[in-house]
Amino acid sequence: NAGVTQTPKFQVLKTGQSMTLQCAQDMNHEYMSWYRQDPGMGLRLIHYSVGAGITDQGEVPNGYNVSRSTTEDFPLRLLSAAPSQTSVYFCASSYGGSLAYNEQFFGPGTRLTVL
Amino acid sequence: GDSVTQMEGPVTLSEEAFLTINCTYTATGYPSLFWYVQYPGEGLQLLLKATKADDKGSNKGFEATYRKETTSFHLEKGSVQVSDSAVYFCALSEKTSYDKVIFGPGTSLSVIP
Repeated sequence: NAGVTQTPKFQVLKTGQSMTLQCAQDMNHEYMSWYRQDPGMGLRLIHYSVGAGITDQGEVPNGYNVSRSTTEDFPLRLLSAAPSQTSVYFCASSYGGSLAYNEQFFGPGTRLTVL
Repeated sequence: GDSVTQMEGPVTLSEEAFLTINCTYTATGYPSLFWYVQYPGEGLQLLLKATKADDKGSNKGFEATYRKETTSFHLEKGSVQVSDSAVYFCALSEKTSYDKVIFGPGTSLSVIP
């Protein structure tokens, strides 16, 4: 049982490049989400999904796309990287139903630097 | 909108000292409250939670009580260890909004021998 896995762990991009951050979970969780973590700002929600084929925007969605074709995978795409997207990105998953009652399980994170 | 405020630190304590990290919240409804911990180089993990007023969450010697009258959820531990060095996040999730968690900015704790 690997839990939530993320790849890569580190990535350096040039402004304007695109890339995909991978996230997978093996717990059969319905809910998955992407956060970014910036100093002094905690975690901010980028996009989330309540099940395969369903995605929605979070607090800071601009510049990012997601899709959820399977229960296990929830990739995050940066369309045209900008220095403002330099951050640490976390993927999380949870059982279906309310997050007020269900724990989120986090991946180890991807540290992204955009030059 | 909903928000979480917590002391940002960094907090530095000697081993076996008493720890308090303050957390207050603003919510439109009646949320559940959480403390998550992030050890160096790792993702966040749930430390404890409380779903209703006067509930006390506890785990690994840490405790926090849901105080609705003061909108607070302060984290305490009686005797910290070096292994408790981490960043601690207070968070809330509204019971009526089932798909979002609001995190505070995090408090960095360093425990020195």
